[in-house]
Amino acid sequence: DQQVKQNSPSLSVQEGRISILNCDYTNSMFDYFLWYKKYPAEGPTFLISISSIKDKNEDGRFTVFLNKSAKHLSLHIVPSQPGDSAVYFCAAFNNAGGTSYGKLTFGQGTILTVHP
Amino acid sequence: DARVTQTPRHKVTEMGQEVTMRCQPILGHNTVFWYRQTMMQGLELLAYFRNRAPLDDSGMPKDRFSAEMPDATLATLKIQPSEPRDSAVYFCASGLAGISLSGNTIYFGEGSWLTVV
Repeated sequence: DQQVKQNSPSLSVQEGRISILNCDYTNSMFDYFLWYKKYPAEGPTFLISISSIKDKNEDGRFTVFLNKSAKHLSLHIVPSQPGDSAVYFCAAFNNAGGTSYGKLTFGQGTILTVHP
Repeated sequence: DARVTQTPRHKVTEMGQEVTMRCQPILGHNTVFWYRQTMMQGLELLAYFRNRAPLDDSGMPKDRFSAEMPDATLATLKIQPSEPRDSAVYFCASGLAGISLSGNTIYFGEGSWLTVV
């Protein structure tokens, strides 16, 4: 049972354009969501997060949107740069009570390629 | 620049040998995680500790895997005996639980790349 799904294995975007990466989840208990970027042979690098009390969080070129009713979140990168080319993972956990903090459930990842 | 440090970065070992992976979490973090990445399963949680106490190791094969935190600056993941199916990248991560939701970020190490032949 895949509780966090990234249905697009790959995405190709022109430099300067917007990249939109999507993520769906099925577990309604998830209340904290994170996006990680991963280069080959490196660990996942934290990008941006959002709690379920918000529907948008912005950090520079990165914005995460959360639609709780649809159980959907997306990561927008504007403008996209060649250095953004990497695998992007969506992750979620349930922070209620604190004992589940950090028990991340990951999506399968989306390979983003930004062409010059 | 605070970071999670893992050793070894790469390990090739023969089936049946013992493998120990080590992790130094970010100073001050009270929660440490071990994740494994494989092609088939993606990133999956093996075990995690809060204030050095094991909270959940349900994702870990109990017969051959063990995880410990001898002190606040060291977490270990041991496989004995190792098998070819254990070949994967093992990530350690750390975070600070118990503060506001805005500070709930989990930081990952570079990973230990294990190959069992």
